[in-house]
Amino acid sequence: DTGVSQDPRHKITKRGQNVTFRCDPISEHNRLYWYRQTLGQGPEFLTYFQNEAQLEKSRLLSDRFSAERPKGSFSTLEIQRTEQGDSAMYLCASSLRLAGGDNEQFFGPGTRLTVL
Amino acid sequence: AQSVTQLGSHVSVSEGALVLLRCNYSSSVPPYLFWYVQYPNQGLQLLLKYTTGATLVKGINGFEAEFKKSETSFHLTKPSAHMSDAAEYFCAVSNTGRRALTFGSGTRLQVQP
Repeated sequence: DTGVSQDPRHKITKRGQNVTFRCDPISEHNRLYWYRQTLGQGPEFLTYFQNEAQLEKSRLLSDRFSAERPKGSFSTLEIQRTEQGDSAMYLCASSLRLAGGDNEQFFGPGTRLTVL
Repeated sequence: AQSVTQLGSHVSVSEGALVLLRCNYSSSVPPYLFWYVQYPNQGLQLLLKYTTGATLVKGINGFEAEFKKSETSFHLTKPSAHMSDAAEYFCAVSNTGRRALTFGSGTRLQVQP
């Protein structure tokens, strides 16, 4: 078990560019979550997948954001036409859905995005 | 709808002193409650969780929290602070109908020598 990994760890881009982040969950985990954390705040939920199905999207996820989990394993989060307000830490988490079980999410180290 | 309020964005204690970090939640259904710790430039690590059963929950690194339904609280405590406890602490809530976590704004714990 190598934990949740995210790539890249840091990304600096210019306003208007597109960026894509990758998350590799813990291998047997069927649920994958994306959160965004701005400086001095707690993480805010963006979206989550169960296997390859995207089951919920936050209203924070504007039409410039898209997430995929094509084979129910890794996931990508793309931001198109980045804005300075997109600068944040993007966190990925995974969990194993159990029938009637609880919901412990394991977090990756995050991708820090800076939009200039 | 659910929400979390963490009272005190910064808490400073002396090494060896009691640590108390406050968390109040709002949830229309029975909550699942969590405390996570975040060290600089790292992801979040689960300290402890409450789902059902015993209301006093023990976690890692000597931390514990008590679920008090009547007070809608889930305060985090540790009897004796250690320098290595200095970090940001987040309280979070979810429930059986909504698995995504709702986090508080966090409390930064400083431990003075």
